[in-house]
Amino acid sequence: DADVTQTPRNRITKTGKRIMLECSQTKGHDRMYWYRQDPGLGLQLIYYSFDVKDINKGEISDGYSVSRQAQAKFSLSLESAIPNQTALYFCATSDFGAGGGRDTQYFGPGTRLTVL
Amino acid sequence: QQQVKQSPQSLIVQKGGISIINCAYENTAFDYFPWYQQFPGKGPALLIAIRPDVSEKKEGRFTISFNKSAKQFSLHIMDSQPGDSATYFCAASSQETSGSRLTFGEGTQLTVNP
Repeated sequence: DADVTQTPRNRITKTGKRIMLECSQTKGHDRMYWYRQDPGLGLQLIYYSFDVKDINKGEISDGYSVSRQAQAKFSLSLESAIPNQTALYFCATSDFGAGGGRDTQYFGPGTRLTVL
Repeated sequence: QQQVKQSPQSLIVQKGGISIINCAYENTAFDYFPWYQQFPGKGPALLIAIRPDVSEKKEGRFTISFNKSAKQFSLHIMDSQPGDSATYFCAASSQETSGSRLTFGEGTQLTVNP
């Protein structure tokens, strides 16, 4: 987990506020992801990036935006937070699987966001 | 829609027992099936994974069983220990999405009583 860090770890904000969640990694991986975890729904992909110039929407991108500032940094923004965005947010990284293998994703410790 | 369905949502097992978690998928293009383990306050971590060219993969007390025709796979934890108490997620990916993009199941919260 120390290779993938997320800030803040906990955040309480109010409806309508803009908030940014930050992710940094020291694993040297090109691929980075943002997930949202809700009880009973598992992990849902919000956005993913395969390199600095590549940003892709995931399953639930509405209401979110991202910025890939560098290979090591990937930020998630909520432009105008709403209560149903209250959730646990995870950043993850992966490296392209060599020899036909598949990526292993390495997750950060998570950010617990509460929108009042 | 949930492309990977996981059950049960929660599971309580006695120490030494067998824990079984099941997953079913719809997308026949899926060709890689990992399981992730998440302890409270931590991010998920890869536990074990299987490809559909084999029907079973075992690593220590953890075994994945895979049934391609039924589009189902399951995780078996033998001799379950209190330290196995965690949330388990099955997942799937396909070469069509470069193999990196994972679709997760809903998760199973496992409690192993001492």
